[in-house]
Amino acid sequence: GQNIDQPTEMTATEGAIVQINCTYQTSGFNGLFWYQQHAGEAPTFLSYNVLDGLEEKGRFSSFLSRSKGYSYLLLKELQMKDSASYLCAVRDNDYKLSFGAGTTVTVRA
Amino acid sequence: DGGITQSPKYLFRKEGQNVTLSCEQNLNHDAMYWYRQDPGQGLRLIYYSQIVNDFQKGDIAEGYSVSREKKESFPLTVTSAQKNPTAFYLCASSIGDSGRTYFGPGTRLLVL
Repeated sequence: GQNIDQPTEMTATEGAIVQINCTYQTSGFNGLFWYQQHAGEAPTFLSYNVLDGLEEKGRFSSFLSRSKGYSYLLLKELQMKDSASYLCAVRDNDYKLSFGAGTTVTVRA
Repeated sequence: DGGITQSPKYLFRKEGQNVTLSCEQNLNHDAMYWYRQDPGQGLRLIYYSQIVNDFQKGDIAEGYSVSREKKESFPLTVTSAQKNPTAFYLCASSIGDSGRTYFGPGTRLLVL
C-alpha cells in the first residue's frame, strides 16, 4: 500500500519562503510529483523528481531523498496567487499515482 | 490545442440512477485514470487503463464501472451501487512509462 504524509495547512507572508515536506512509504517507487491545485480546479504539474537531489524551476524547487522516503517543495518569493493546495504524489511501478491529502498554503499580505 | 476534456462540468444524480462522466484526450496518451476527490482529502484512484480494451480497479472501484474502447476515450459510470457519489471527479492521462500525468478540468457530481 501507499502512505503519503504532508502537513494540512501552512501560512506565510508575501515575499517569504515556505517549505512543504512530504514523507512516503510506498510499495514500489517510480518518481515523486508535486502538483498545485486552486480551489475548484484541476491539479497542475509543478515538479518531478526520480533521482536524489534538488530540481529547481524558477521560484519553485523540489528535493528528493529516496533512502529517507522524503521530499520537500520550496516556494520562494511568495505571491498572493501562490495561495493554493499543494499535492505530493508518488508513482509506483505500475505507473499509478498515489496522492497525499494536500497542504493548503495561505499567503498573507 | 492538445488536452483533456471532461463533460459535463456539473452533474446531478437522482437516487437509484446511473450517470456517465465523459473523458476525452487528444494527447495520444496510452494510460488514462479516474480519480475522486472529497473535501480535505487527497485524490483517490477509482480505475485506470494502460492500453485500449484493458483496465484495472484502483483503490475505490466499488460502485463504478469504466470502458476503454478507444484510445482517446475513458468514460466513467457511477452506478446506483455507489451510495456516496457526491465528489469532484478528475480524469487524467499519461504517456505511460515516462512523463507526467495531465488532468482534465473535472466534473462535480451532486446528488438530488
